[in-house]
This record gives sequence, C-alpha cells and structure tokens, in this order.
Amino acid sequence: RKEVEQDPGPFNVPEGATVAFNCTYSNSASQSFFWYRQDCRKEPKLLMSVYSSGNEDGRFTAQLNRASQYISLLIRDSKLSDSATYLCVVNIGGFKTIFGAGTRLFVKA
Amino acid sequence: GAGVSQSPRYKVAKRGQDVALRCDPISGHVSLFWYQQALGQGPEFLTYFQNEAQLDKSGLPSDRFFAERPEGSVSTLKIQRTQQEDSAVYLCASSLIDGNTEAFFGQGTRLTVV
Repeated sequence: RKEVEQDPGPFNVPEGATVAFNCTYSNSASQSFFWYRQDCRKEPKLLMSVYSSGNEDGRFTAQLNRASQYISLLIRDSKLSDSATYLCVVNIGGFKTIFGAGTRLFVKA
Repeated sequence: GAGVSQSPRYKVAKRGQDVALRCDPISGHVSLFWYQQALGQGPEFLTYFQNEAQLDKSGLPSDRFFAERPEGSVSTLKIQRTQQEDSAVYLCASSLIDGNTEAFFGQGTRLTVV
C-alpha cells in the first residue's frame, strides 16, 4: 500500500461546480499536511497547508481527519484556471515528505 | 536568487552516458530535496540534504545515482551509465527549515535517455 493515496481522477466538471478530492495516508505519525498544485509541465506549488481544525482560503477548503487518516480539498465555484493536478503531500517527520500521485482536474466552460 | 533554479532544463542522453543535473536553491534555505517524477505520477522522493549533510538517500533507485551538496548550497544529482528507465523529470526543492515548511520547487530537468 502506498503511503499517500489519492482519488485517481481525472475529474471533469463544468465551471461553477463544486468538486472534492480525498487523500488517505498510512503513517499515523504524520505531522504536516499540504495540498500542492501542479500545472501541466510545470513545477508543483503550494496551494495550502492543512490544519487540524480545517482551513479555508477563498474558494478552497482543506480538512484533516486524523482518526481516519484522510485529508480533503474542496473547491467551490470552479474556474477554468483551476484545471491542474492536485497533489496531496504528507510530512511524516522532519524532512520526510511524501507526495501522492495526484488528481487531475479539468474544468470545462 | 528569486527562486530555485535547475539546469539544464532538458537533457537527452544516450544510454550508458553519465549526466549531471544542477540545482541552485533559494539562498539561506537549509533543506534541499531531489525528486523524480515520471509521466502521470507524483514526485517520488530521492534524497534529502540538511545544509551539506545528506541525511537520507533511501529513495535513490540504484548505486548509479549520486547526489552531493558540498558547501550547503548548490547541489548536483549525478546519474552514471544512464538507462531508459531513468527518463523522467528531476525536480529539486528547497525549504527554509525542513519538510514541515513550504517547499519551493525548481522547474525541473527533463531527462530523456535514448
């Protein structure tokens, strides 16, 4: 079993839709959690950190469930520019940071 | 510099050739990571440096892969006797402290072994 697993995707949604991605992790000692965004042929960039209490940044909401060991990302009112691959990232201590395989999102007009 | 810089951006190597990939991290960043990203996959951890010390190289696929960061700044990933399965994008990232802080990625080096 992979240490970080994500919805396989791709997700194809119309503009304005709400879409949610889930991610599960296997190491219960994991300390920090992030969502990164990666555009086609570009480098990953931090979208948002994920805090235990859940956090929101505009149209994006991230939640963490430590008991079930999963993380979610909710995107409301999808824009064409949201089309990208979303990477779930887990830090299991110090420097050890593990990336999921990514979930591809296509937002259509 | 303003961000993480990697060179070359693209490299085509003949099978069996040695290659060296360079990473210039953000000035002052303690941590430096190398990742390998195959098409359609997420970045896979290769190795980690804290300043000049290589604290983890467990992700290096074979002993043909070698990385160094001798002065705690610029890092080089060297691949000896390249094979076709080494074809991938090699990403370098740096962070101010460790993996609990944001990692800033370079644009990567796309290696194609023919």
